[in-house]
Amino acid sequence: AQTVTQSQPEMSVQEAETVTLSCTYDTSESDYYLFWYKQPPSRQMILVIRQEAYKQQNATENRFSVNFQKAAKSFSLKISDSQLGDAAMYFCAYRTPTSGTYKYIFGTGTRLKVLA
Amino acid sequence: KAGVTQTPRYLIKTRGQQVTLSCSPISGHRSVSWYQQTPGQGLQFLFEYFSETQRNKGNFPGRFSGRQFSNSRSEMNVSTLELGDSALYLCASSSGTGNGNTIYFGEGSWLTVV
Repeated sequence: AQTVTQSQPEMSVQEAETVTLSCTYDTSESDYYLFWYKQPPSRQMILVIRQEAYKQQNATENRFSVNFQKAAKSFSLKISDSQLGDAAMYFCAYRTPTSGTYKYIFGTGTRLKVLA
Repeated sequence: KAGVTQTPRYLIKTRGQQVTLSCSPISGHRSVSWYQQTPGQGLQFLFEYFSETQRNKGNFPGRFSGRQFSNSRSEMNVSTLELGDSALYLCASSSGTGNGNTIYFGEGSWLTVV
């Protein structure tokens, strides 16, 4: 069965600095999708970024980028120029299979604090 | 375009009662999935519906059920509520077809069982 592990329950970063959140996963599949979702205090899950496993190029969305290492089954999120609004829970998610019916598997989350 | 709408947002029920939660997906989305979020267990997949059919389900007891209507709106029902059912229930929608379609979440329904 697929699993997603986020080993950092909590992280802190100074405003305007860069922080990296870690995520590892376990799967025997070769094609899948990976996501990072942000959950602010309002509790609504917001998509931050997604990565297709068949793409070697790392996904980037403005200040957010990922370091996808398929062989190592690692999918970390880098937040550059951190802002106070980035403070939230961040969940790493794995999607299986790639088409038709699907199921998302989430990690336990990393709480990010941004210090002014 | 309106997002995923969940109702009610907050509710309190007594142990043994049942509850029905509603989810209206993003217009044009035909897939609705449900998740339970608790501090101890994190986000756990309940089930996914597409075109009124349940396509996938997680490892929850039969007290948890759902359905989807022809307009893609979905409801989930929990019967014989237990204290441990207290959680944030999140609904998400997607197009339901194609590769890697992304799910978009509603704001959730907070259920407290007393």
